Amino acid sequence: NAGVTQTPKFQVLKTGQSMTLQCAQDMNHEYMSWYRQDPGMGLRLIHYSVGAGITDQGEVPNGYNVSRSTTEDFPLRLLSAAPSQTSVYFCASRVGREQYFGPGTRLTVT
Amino acid sequence: SQQGEEDPQALSIQEGENATMNCSYKTSINNLQWYRQNSGRGLVHLILIRSNEREKHSGRLRVTLDTSKKSSSLLITASRAADTASYFCATGGDTGRRALTFGSGTRLQVQP
Repeated sequence: NAGVTQTPKFQVLKTGQSMTLQCAQDMNHEYMSWYRQDPGMGLRLIHYSVGAGITDQGEVPNGYNVSRSTTEDFPLRLLSAAPSQTSVYFCASRVGREQYFGPGTRLTVT
Repeated sequence: SQQGEEDPQALSIQEGENATMNCSYKTSINNLQWYRQNSGRGLVHLILIRSNEREKHSGRLRVTLDTSKKSSSLLITASRAADTASYFCATGGDTGRRALTFGSGTRLQVQP
């Protein structure tokens, strides 16, 4: 199993641009989530999904959209990038209580 | 808002020494987890302790939980340079919709 994969690993955007961060898992986990990690802030939940067709907002959802059309994929869309969205983004999937994380996407917005 | 807060924020020790980091949380829990994050990587699950457990061991890891004080500690014995990482406690995730909430982490540096 590849586990949780994320693309791209690095991305630089200009303010106002949009993009999609990809996340996929091959473990057939129903629960998937997106976090952002900023220095000294730990991980903050952006959006999560408990199954295909079901998504919900986390702690910091503004400026981000998600969809879950399949069990495997959970893309995160930045609608109009802002410098405040410069961060490292982690996708995770879960079965039971243990969470499995992807390697992260480092995003810089200039 | 974050449920868990780790203490200290940073810890530097010599190889062979023990490392202890603490986590305090705010609301009642059913379980608490610890994760490790190596620099530039995703988090990796280390251990889970349930609310009816007071202590749990896994290899060189020892976790304690004191629900009356809403606190947990992670002890790494006989530390190695490879233990250098950030360590996070996490609560929640008990039901299908409940998300895991992470603390801000302890950065551990083990000097060879």
